[in-house]
Amino acid sequence: DAGVTQSPTHLIKTRGQQVTLRCSPISGHKSVSWYQQVLGQGPQFIFQYYEKEERGRGNFPDRFSARQFPNYSSELNVNALLLGDSALYLCASSPRAVQETQYFGPGTRLLVL
Amino acid sequence: GENVEQHPSTLSVQEGDSAVIKCTYSDSASNYFPWYKQELGKGPQLIIDIRSNVGEKKDQRIAVTLNKTAKHFSLHITETQPEDSAVYFCAASTHDMRFGAGTRLTVKP
Repeated sequence: DAGVTQSPTHLIKTRGQQVTLRCSPISGHKSVSWYQQVLGQGPQFIFQYYEKEERGRGNFPDRFSARQFPNYSSELNVNALLLGDSALYLCASSPRAVQETQYFGPGTRLLVL
Repeated sequence: GENVEQHPSTLSVQEGDSAVIKCTYSDSASNYFPWYKQELGKGPQLIIDIRSNVGEKKDQRIAVTLNKTAKHFSLHITETQPEDSAVYFCAASTHDMRFGAGTRLTVKP
């Protein structure tokens, strides 16, 4: 069975640009969560979506937004990129809510110059 | 919100020895505690998890213990092997998942 997939794998942007990251959950999973992992730190929670609705939001600015599609895939958008947005962006899926086993994808590494 | 602290930040053991990583959490409402292993260039991989109604769980060489009163939980790896070398993260979950800062485990052959 395919695990969580994310695209692209790597991305280079310049300050002020906008970026869209994509995630496909494990088949049958209805919940997708997004995390930011800065080098040397643990993942930081950004968003959780379940059944196409936002169910949780971490302490991130409004430049970060996300959505979930009818097929349960998801996109994370970041506007007005800052150097500090450089990180590994991880997507995780679970059958339902956050308080279940979450399975992570390989991540998208974003570098902002 | 939930705050998870993890110790030590680095741990080096000889192959065959045991490794213990400890985490504390602040929110008594947390009820799900997973442990993840992350290898270089990869996403975190779940290795074991425990819920608040259980005190201990074991899976072959890996075990996790939970002390709800003290709000701490630990990962125990016995008979360590070089392939256990990675960064390990603990996490605690209420409305969202909060991770510790990670422990870099090195198993020397």
